[in-house]
Amino acid sequence: GAVVSQHPSRVICKSGTSVKIECRSLDFQATTMFWYRQFPKQSLMLMATSNEGSKATYEQGVEKDKFLINHASLTLSTLTVTSAHPEDSSFYICSARVPAGGHTYEQYFGPGTRLTVT
Amino acid sequence: LAKTTQPISMDSYEGQEVNITCSHNNIATNDYITWYQQFPSQGPRFIIQGYKTKVTNEVASLFIPADRKSSTLSLPRVSLSDTAVYYCLVGSTSGTYKYIFGTGTRLKVLA
Repeated sequence: GAVVSQHPSRVICKSGTSVKIECRSLDFQATTMFWYRQFPKQSLMLMATSNEGSKATYEQGVEKDKFLINHASLTLSTLTVTSAHPEDSSFYICSARVPAGGHTYEQYFGPGTRLTVT
Repeated sequence: LAKTTQPISMDSYEGQEVNITCSHNNIATNDYITWYQQFPSQGPRFIIQGYKTKVTNEVASLFIPADRKSSTLSLPRVSLSDTAVYYCLVGSTSGTYKYIFGTGTRLKVLA
């Protein structure tokens, strides 16, 4: 299947600083990528839909000025957590949608990025 | 967007067949059903996808009744390494659909 990578896999930052997380589709082009957040023992929560060449669409309750998303190319989307606080500590996961033939799609997920804000 | 309902947790023993059922009562005509597996601190991994009847691949089978209001993921002869959380998702083939994750089913395989 298609491969999605994330970098870094783990990051620790101080409160008030910004952190950028990269999501790459390694062997395919993705016009649409998604960003999720997952807290311990909980399900994935969709944060935003990232569209190549246009503004991201954020889910209700997600601050777009705090979680900046840029999808500048067909293989890269970035999520920047600005002015991070300890409550932003979480597991961030991206995914990319791939045509699977017959008008269907498959969605492949990255390995996730563990963010810890101290 | 179809909401899905799954059992919160299940236990099984090695070598047994495990069936996890998902309810999606308001599934739309264009919606497909997809199952994912997630291990701790990893991204979800695609298992299987289907629209109706039965789909089988090298790791699982997916059974979908005619009314498509539910689906069952079948894992044959599970092993300890199948201990994970399994998510059932419904997504449209058209437009800008987006997956909304439910609680998932936490499967624990015992020796």
